[in-house]
Amino acid sequence: EAQVTQNPRYLITVTGKKLTVTCSQNMNHEYMSWYRQDPGLGLRQIYYSMNVEVTDKGDVPEGYKVSRKEKRNFPLILESPSPNQTSLYFCASSLSFGRGETQYFGPGTRLLVL
Amino acid sequence: GQQLNQSPQSMFIQEGEDVSMNCTSSSIFNTWLWYKQDPGEGPVLLIALYKAGELTSNGRLTAQFGITRKDSFLNISASIPSDVGIYFCAGRTSGTYKYIFGTGTRLKVLA
Repeated sequence: EAQVTQNPRYLITVTGKKLTVTCSQNMNHEYMSWYRQDPGLGLRQIYYSMNVEVTDKGDVPEGYKVSRKEKRNFPLILESPSPNQTSLYFCASSLSFGRGETQYFGPGTRLLVL
Repeated sequence: GQQLNQSPQSMFIQEGEDVSMNCTSSSIFNTWLWYKQDPGEGPVLLIALYKAGELTSNGRLTAQFGITRKDSFLNISASIPSDVGIYFCAGRTSGTYKYIFGTGTRLKVLA
């Protein structure tokens, strides 16, 4: 089944404790992206990757890191989480841009930073 | 960061009614996308628009790419209970790989 998977789905952590949220897709997509969703703010793009070893900042990259060493994986790293990073996080992937561009979203990771 | 203004923020409608929502931007976009998010799920693409003035349908859903390229509209005809969810618009400028999302319209359908 074609899908985007994220782990963990739920995470409670404390301020300053490094964490990684994994994202994997099995559709051979070139483009991958991370978003955070907050009430009243909709979805905001954190980072995106056009291909292996090619990443760039979205609108809200502060406090986050990403890497794209393999095509299928795009982990999101919070080196020193803070309470304002409490949010619902989505990973997404798409084959390309232009006609037919469709981002497939993962199921989400709900993060609480105490 | 940039965001799209989406309205209304929420709607309560009776089953069978038609629904309209819109999205406006201060910037020009070359691609407009409409997504639906069911409770507890990630967003799913409903309609994609690539040309100013374009009108595209997907079942009971119809979306339009505004001629100024700064707005887009989504209509749902004869709403049913499973239309409940949050609808997001998103825009992308040609030559960029960044997506800007709207703040969402939360739709509730009363049977």
